[in-house]
Order: sequence, then structure tokens, then C-alpha cells
Amino acid sequence: DQQVKQNSPSLSVQEGRISILNCDYTNSMFDYFLWYKKYPAEGPTFLISISSIKDKNEDGRFTVFLNKSAKHLSLHIVPSQPGDSAVYFCAASGTYSGGGADGLTFGKGTHLIIQP
Amino acid sequence: EPEVTQTPSHQVTQMGQEVILRCVPISNHLYFYWYRQILGQKVEFLVSFYNNEISEKSEIFDDQFSVERPDGSNFTLKIRSTKLEDSAMYFCASSGGVTGELFFGEGSRLTVL
Repeated sequence: DQQVKQNSPSLSVQEGRISILNCDYTNSMFDYFLWYKKYPAEGPTFLISISSIKDKNEDGRFTVFLNKSAKHLSLHIVPSQPGDSAVYFCAASGTYSGGGADGLTFGKGTHLIIQP
Repeated sequence: EPEVTQTPSHQVTQMGQEVILRCVPISNHLYFYWYRQILGQKVEFLVSFYNNEISEKSEIFDDQFSVERPDGSNFTLKIRSTKLEDSAMYFCASSGGVTGELFFGEGSRLTVL
């Protein structure tokens, strides 16, 4: 039972264009969402988060949008750069403090490839 | 910048052997986690640990698994009798519990033959 779904295993985007990574969730108890980025042979690193009281959070080139009614969130990267090539994981938590006792539930990841 | 460190980076073991994976979380963090990723699959939650006890564990974390914080700095994951299907990358993570951000180590690759 996949509670967090990333339906695109890979995505190829040209350098300078916008990358849009999508994530859907099924558990309505999730109220905090995070995006992690993972390079090969490294652990996931935190990128950006959003709580369910917001519908948008922006940090530099990265923006996360949350549509609670659709149980959908997306990560926008603009402009995309070669260093953005990585696997991006969507994660969700049932507590505002995602670092609390509840573990994060991860999606399977989307491999973003930025083409020169 | 503080970081989570894990050892060993790669361990190869025979089926049925005990394995201990070690983690040194960020020093002022309060919450500790183990996750694993089987090759080609998603990152899966195993267990969370707070205040010297398990807070939550997944179905994967059965009686073969245990965690310990023996000395206030290390956080270990023990697999008592490894199975082939335990082969995976195991990630330790820690959190201060405020922002929701987990800091992950680089992972320990376990290969069970």
C-alpha cells in the first residue's frame, strides 16, 4: 500500500528550463511534506518542506506547491541546472515536526536528468 | 557543518550471521532513525528512537532487528541472523525535532551472501 506515490521514475529536462516533479499521497493524516535529493552513493539530503497550512513554499530556485484537496504536491526547479541531476524523494509525515516520533513515509523517487 | 556518520560503508556477510551497523548522529539531535533502501526500490522506514527507547517501528523491523544507543553518541542497528533479503543500503538519520528536517548519513551497504 503506497501512501506516497511518485509516478514518474525518471524525468529529463533541458538546462535552463523548469523541472516539475510530482507526488501524490493517500493518507489524509499527513500534514507535513518534504522533498529530499539524493546523489549516488550518498544519503538523502533535505531540500524543502511545506506544512499543510500552506499551499506554497519557496526557497531560491525551488518551490513546493501543495494541493490538499487533490492530495498532490509538486516541486518546481527553475532554472534547472546540471547539478540538479539526482533522485528526488517526496516524503510525508503525520506530525508537523517531521523529525518527531513518526517516521517519514517516502515515495519511490524520481530520477531527474538535466540535459545540457 | 555537522553531519551524520555511518560505519561501515560496505559490509559483506554470510546468511545467518549477525551484523551491527553503526551511526553517529549529530550531537544535539534528539530523534534517531534507521531507513533502508533495497536496490531499485523506495527508501523504507525501519524504526525511530527517542529518549532511549523505540518510538515507532515498521513491519519490516521484526524480532531479528534491534537498535541501541549504548554510549550516548553511537546509535546502532543490529540484525541477529541475516537473510538474503536484508541486502540493502541502510541509512541512519537524526533530527532536532523542530523543523522536520532529517539529516541522513551516507549509508551502509549490506550484502548478504
